[in-house]
Amino acid sequence: NAGVTQTPKFQVLKTGQSMTLQCAQDMNHEYMSWYRQDPGMGLRLIHYSVGAGITDQGEVPNGYNVSRSTTEDFPLRLLSAAPSQTSVYFCASSPGRGNYGYTFGSGTRLTVV
Amino acid sequence: GNSVTQMEGPVTLSEEAFLTINCTYTATGYPSLFWYVQYPGEGLQLLLKATKADDKGSNKGFEATYRKETTSFHLEKGSVQVSDSAVYFCALSNSGGYQKVTFGIGTKLQVIP
Repeated sequence: NAGVTQTPKFQVLKTGQSMTLQCAQDMNHEYMSWYRQDPGMGLRLIHYSVGAGITDQGEVPNGYNVSRSTTEDFPLRLLSAAPSQTSVYFCASSPGRGNYGYTFGSGTRLTVV
Repeated sequence: GNSVTQMEGPVTLSEEAFLTINCTYTATGYPSLFWYVQYPGEGLQLLLKATKADDKGSNKGFEATYRKETTSFHLEKGSVQVSDSAVYFCALSNSGGYQKVTFGIGTKLQVIP
């Protein structure tokens, strides 16, 4: 079982560029989420999905888009990168209803210059 | 809204010392409570959880008890090892439907030989 796989692990972007962070899980989990982690701020929810075809905004959705065409994949798109989006991004998944907790990927460290 | 409060640290302990990391929360209803651990360069891993008042979660020598009367979920370990050095996150989620998770800012633990 690979769990939650995120690619790339590191990325440097120039301001204004766009890119997609990939996330895939092989556990048939219903719920998937994207978080960003910044020093002194813990984890903040960007977008989440409760199943294929269903997505919704979290706390800090501006500048990001998501889609969920399959149960396995939940990519995060940065539309026009800004230095404020420099962060570590984590994808996480959970089986669904019930208090199972989340399985996290290993993260993508993004720097916008 | 929901919130989780924990000290940022770092907490520095000698090997074999007793560990307590405090966590208090504010939430509506009866949330589930979690502790996650993040080792350097990795994603978060679920360490333990408790889903109702007076439940004790335990794993790898760590334990925490869900105290509704004091709205707390303090993490304890009787004898820490150097390998326990990591960042520890307290978190909560409400039951029913999508489980939005609220994280604390994380407490960094450094264990010295």
